[in-house]
Amino acid sequence: NAGVTQTPKFQVLKTGQSMTLQCAQDMNHNSMYWYRQDPGMGLRLIYYSASEGTTDKGEVPNGYNVSRLNKREFSLRLESAAPSQTSVYFCAGGLTGVNEQYFGPGTRLTVT
Amino acid sequence: KNQVEQSPQSLIILEGKNCTLQCNYTVSPFSNLRWYKQDTGRGPVSLTIMTFSENTKSNGRYTATLDADTKQSSLHITASQLSDSASYICVVSPGSSASKIIFGSGTRLSIRP
Repeated sequence: NAGVTQTPKFQVLKTGQSMTLQCAQDMNHNSMYWYRQDPGMGLRLIYYSASEGTTDKGEVPNGYNVSRLNKREFSLRLESAAPSQTSVYFCAGGLTGVNEQYFGPGTRLTVT
Repeated sequence: KNQVEQSPQSLIILEGKNCTLQCNYTVSPFSNLRWYKQDTGRGPVSLTIMTFSENTKSNGRYTATLDADTKQSSLHITASQLSDSASYICVVSPGSSASKIIFGSGTRLSIRP
């Protein structure tokens, strides 16, 4: 039981490049979330998926897209990376209606 | 505006000493408050959760308190260990939807031998 896994752990992109961050959970969670964590700030919600087949915007969705591929997998895509997207990205899973979340280990992204 | 403020931003204490971290919130309505521990390079892990009617909750050497009237919470760590070095994040939920929860920016705690 790996919990919530994320790939890659580290990534460096040039401005304008695209990439997809992968997240998978084996905890049978209905809900999945993508956050970014920046120095001196709390985690901010980018997108979430309350159930398979649905996605919704969070607090800071601009510049990102998501796909809930199936119940286990929730990916985050940066179509044209910008330096402002340099951050640590966390994926989390949870049961709908219960706001405890289980976080993955994070992806540290640098955009130059 | 719903906000969660934590203090201090950072704290250094000697191993074996106690410490208390503070969290003030202006979130309304209020459903519950959770404290997370985040080790360097890892994701946050839940320590405690308290609802409106609870004013204290313990998890080993960690004790959280909640005063819903003043909208304040504290996390007290007893007999600190080197493994307690981490960021501690206060998280407040206004309802049952996890998409609405608000994270504090955390207190970075360093334990020195």
